[in-house]
Amino acid sequence: DGGITQSPKYLFRKEGQNVTLSCEQNLNHDAMYWYRQDPGQGLRLIYYSQIVNDFQKGDIAEGYSVSREKKESFPLTVTSAQKNPTAFYLCASSTTGPNEKLFFGSGTQLSVL
Amino acid sequence: GENVEQHPSTLSVQEGDSAVIKCTYSDSASNYFPWYKQELGKRPQLIIDIRSNVGEKKDQRIAVTLNKTAKHFSLHITETQPEDSAVYFCARGGNTPLVFGKGTRLSVIA
Repeated sequence: DGGITQSPKYLFRKEGQNVTLSCEQNLNHDAMYWYRQDPGQGLRLIYYSQIVNDFQKGDIAEGYSVSREKKESFPLTVTSAQKNPTAFYLCASSTTGPNEKLFFGSGTQLSVL
Repeated sequence: GENVEQHPSTLSVQEGDSAVIKCTYSDSASNYFPWYKQELGKRPQLIIDIRSNVGEKKDQRIAVTLNKTAKHFSLHITETQPEDSAVYFCARGGNTPLVFGKGTRLSVIA
């Protein structure tokens, strides 16, 4: 459904632990994005990548890291520096860049133990 | 990115009535304005979008209007149905990734 897959669906993090959220797409899209969704806050951009081996910080990048070694994959690591990581994380992709339709994954709910 | 203000945050309408959601922005470079619908527990999905060279676009019961001078755009849903109940997000794009509004929770009461 949509060709963009996120895993796991639910993830629990212990204090001081880094966790990695997976995002894979088979749409042959160049651009990929990570958004964080909190109740009443809309979707806020964490990181984005418009081409392999390149990525840029979004509005709330602190405490997160990403890599883009393959066109199909854009994993997000939530580091221990992110003090309030509980949120719903959405990965998205688009064909060429910002002004094209975003296809979203089904999301990962991250909670802190 | 510069914010997008979206109003109202919640909206309840009777089935068959119209619903209107409004968004304003400040970045003059914005030239792409999509609307996404997110049903409970599901991913956001694009329902309609408009580019800055167009003032209005319709798709069946859904329409979007854009006033670039005033920097605001609106989503209009006519003849609302219970399946229209969801959270709706506006967004703006330009030469940077989409910036989203905070969402409007629409409830259509049968």
